Parts: sequence; structure tokens; C-alpha cells
Amino acid sequence: QVQLQESGPGLVKPSQTLSLTCTVSGDSMTSKSFYWSWIRQPAGQRLEWIGLIYATGTTSYNPSVKSRVTISLDTSRNLFFLNLTSVTAADTAVYYCARATAYCYGGACYKIYDHWGQGTLATVSS
Amino acid sequence: EIVMTQSPATLSVSPGERGTLSCRASQSVSSNLAWYQKNPGQAPRLLIYGASTRATGIPARFSGSGSGTEFTLTISSLQSEDFAVYYCQQYDNWPQTFGQGTKVEIK
Repeated sequence: QVQLQESGPGLVKPSQTLSLTCTVSGDSMTSKSFYWSWIRQPAGQRLEWIGLIYATGTTSYNPSVKSRVTISLDTSRNLFFLNLTSVTAADTAVYYCARATAYCYGGACYKIYDHWGQGTLATVSS
Repeated sequence: EIVMTQSPATLSVSPGERGTLSCRASQSVSSNLAWYQKNPGQAPRLLIYGASTRATGIPARFSGSGSGTEFTLTISSLQSEDFAVYYCQQYDNWPQTFGQGTKVEIK
């Protein structure tokens, strides 16, 4: 059973870079069936998809953060990473890492989040 | 981007009773909708995808229906572990977007 666990500093100063790590266990990140994602939820707000990365290193980002975000991975250690630059208080949120699997039906395939980490709170404050 | 709106914000139900949650999309998402369950301190869990297909290991008391812009998640007989927050998510258009959640609480 695949498990994901987020880690990183809980407190980041404004204008600095938020860096988080997701440790994946019970599965190989090199599988061509999976995509590795970051999703966040500010307090009292809805979940927001940040972006994802495929085993080949191909990435896709939400336009709302695209200019500030980088997602990368280290398949040899089963880790993937989130870097978010120039953070403000609006970036304070619980950050989740998740695995998306391609589910195929109706003649098309869709990325659906079938495994998530428990989330880690990242607070932006001086 | 597509806005997902869930109702009600809070649903009060007695154990053993039926619970019905709604999700509306600002434009058609066909059947490309998922439902997730979130308990405090736990990872979100995929319940339903394709609007009506239960994910692996999900009990039959959970069922999803709808297409286009109107969707429903029904829990036929609420168990203690079902009192949680539920989110819908569309994956028909990028970026994928989520509803604001419905909290199912014990009446």
C-alpha cells in the first residue's frame, strides 16, 4: 500500500522560499502510471491544485502560482519536492502531496488523486 | 476556471440515516467528477470517480450520481467513521478545481 508523507519547515518568512519534501513508500516513482502532485488548502478555503510531475520530469502547474513554483523529483530516493518562491501570508496553508493515477474510461484517461499524505502546515510570517 | 459549489455547508444526520450531498459546477464537466472524504488528522481518501464509480475498497453505502453540472453523493446509512468533510473535484478542465466542502456531523 503506497504511503506519502510531507515534511519541511513549518514557518517561512515573507519573500523567502517555501521548500517541502514528499516521501513516497510502498511504490516506485518510476512507474509510468503515476503522477506526483502538490495540493494546498488555506484555512477556511477550498483545496487548490498547485502542480504535478511525471516520472520523466515533465511538469504542469496551476497558472495561479506558475511563475513562483517548481516541482522536482528524485526517483532514486522516492522523493519529490515543492519549491515556492517569494511567499506571502496568502501562501499559508496545509500542503498535501498526492499520487494521481491515470484512470481510463469513456475513451479518455484522467489523472485522479487516489493516495494523499496527511498534510503539513506551512505558515508564512515574520 | 470552473467553480465547484457544494451544499449544504453542514449536514446534520443521525447514525444509520441517509445523507445526501450536492455539488454543482459552473459549467459542464461531463462525468469527470470525484468525491473525497477527509477526517481530521488523516489523509483525504478517494471515494468516487467518474461521478459514479466507487474507488477500490470503498463500501457500497457510498454512491455517486449526476453529470454535466449537477452531482450527488449519497451515503445510504451513516456509520460513525463517515462523519467527516466531503469534497467534490472536477478534472474535466485544467486546472482541476475543488468544492469548498460539506461537513457531515452527528445530529
